Amino acid sequence: DTAVSQTPKYLVTQMGNDKSIKCEQNLGHDTMYWYKQDSKKFLKIMFSYNNKELIINETVPNRFSPKSPDKAHLNLHINSLELGDSAVYFCASSQGAGQGHGYTFGSGTRLTVV
Amino acid sequence: AQKVTQAQTEISVVEKEDVTLDCVYETRDTTYYLFWYKQPPSGELVFLIRRNSFDEQNEISGRYSWNFQKSTSSFNFTITASQVVDSAVYFCAPGSCQAGTALIFGKGTTLSVSS
Repeated sequence: DTAVSQTPKYLVTQMGNDKSIKCEQNLGHDTMYWYKQDSKKFLKIMFSYNNKELIINETVPNRFSPKSPDKAHLNLHINSLELGDSAVYFCASSQGAGQGHGYTFGSGTRLTVV
Repeated sequence: AQKVTQAQTEISVVEKEDVTLDCVYETRDTTYYLFWYKQPPSGELVFLIRRNSFDEQNEISGRYSWNFQKSTSSFNFTITASQVVDSAVYFCAPGSCQAGTALIFGKGTTLSVSS
């Protein structure tokens, strides 16, 4: 059983489109995250939810909107996609809202905007 | 807020060489955690180690060892007798105990091990 699963694994889309990435964890964790990894491998936190409540909202264009219907799911919706949105997006989960337990990451979604 | 510096962008070694990846961090927390993650060419992020700031003992796991020096804010990672399968990007990350924070990753060190 995959602990943190993201779908889709690959996403190729045209500029201006709207797309969503889904993330589900079956670890019973109460905190979930979205990270963006750029072409230079730099990992940057975007959002975090703890028990469905948004607790981290970094400086991200408001075209990006996270949604957590329950603590096992965290989705990322992106409106009006731009070339610069091309990246690998990682979902992660952890127990507790601090960093003491570390994260379990999903396998990533490679988004390519053309 | 935490900061982390991985000064080595890329390292190339030949199999069986030992290699050390450096990590220097900054934090204002008195209690914090330190992590290393590995990202092989397949792309997934794999947890390697978690260290509590109270525990300064060095740790060894097989060919991997970690040297935590609180006095110099460093948490270095050594691979002994490197293998081609060790080729990956390695990330160091300090973590806070405080709610509303996230792991802040270094820029990573790309390790290439050739046969």
